[in-house]
Amino acid sequence: EDQVTQSPEALRLQEGESSSLNCSYTVSGLRGLFWYRQDPGKGPEFLFTLYSAGEEKEKERLKATLTKKESFLHITAPKPEDSATYLCAVQAILKTSGTYKYIFGTGTRLKVLA
Amino acid sequence: GAVVSQHPSRVICKSGTSVKIECRSLDFQATTMFWYRQFPKKSLMLMATSNEGSKATYEQGVEKDKFLINHASLTLSTLTVTSAHPEDSSFYICSASSGTDQPQHFGDGTRLSIL
Repeated sequence: EDQVTQSPEALRLQEGESSSLNCSYTVSGLRGLFWYRQDPGKGPEFLFTLYSAGEEKEKERLKATLTKKESFLHITAPKPEDSATYLCAVQAILKTSGTYKYIFGTGTRLKVLA
Repeated sequence: GAVVSQHPSRVICKSGTSVKIECRSLDFQATTMFWYRQFPKKSLMLMATSNEGSKATYEQGVEKDKFLINHASLTLSTLTVTSAHPEDSSFYICSASSGTDQPQHFGDGTRLSIL
């Protein structure tokens, strides 16, 4: 069964304490992996798309990497304003119909303390 | 770029009322739009997927007659919650994508409260 699992569920960091969030997936026909940031009461904000193993994307203090089984979102020297829920989503092709679907993980709630 | 506007941001209404939520892609053409429901501290629950000019595809367990979706143009989709009841109270979020392999871009959600 196609599945996306994020860990940890919640993470508390001190300002400046670097860490990584994990997104593991088991899908057939991966078309892309997407990272989003969601603030309370808001819709998710798009961060990165990764299409193939070995690919990396960077934006400010965030760096996303992709392997054949998982993706990591590395946060370097985080600041309190990086506090949010980070979601990953996988786009996969359904073998039976040839259509595609998105599968979202349940997210990692990040809190960065000043 | 890739801005999605969702209105209204908050609705409070009486039980039995029908509520329409609009989702517009402001600077790109959205071949596919998605409607989600999100419960507190939970991830997104996909309700339906719609392609411009076609009938929406609903996820299992979502009532088609309760949640009417229209995707009349490449920049506009609407979700109408018909005869809303307190159990329909939730955070509804739309998203739009310009095509296969492209990310979804999300609106800011609508907080629906049915009294």
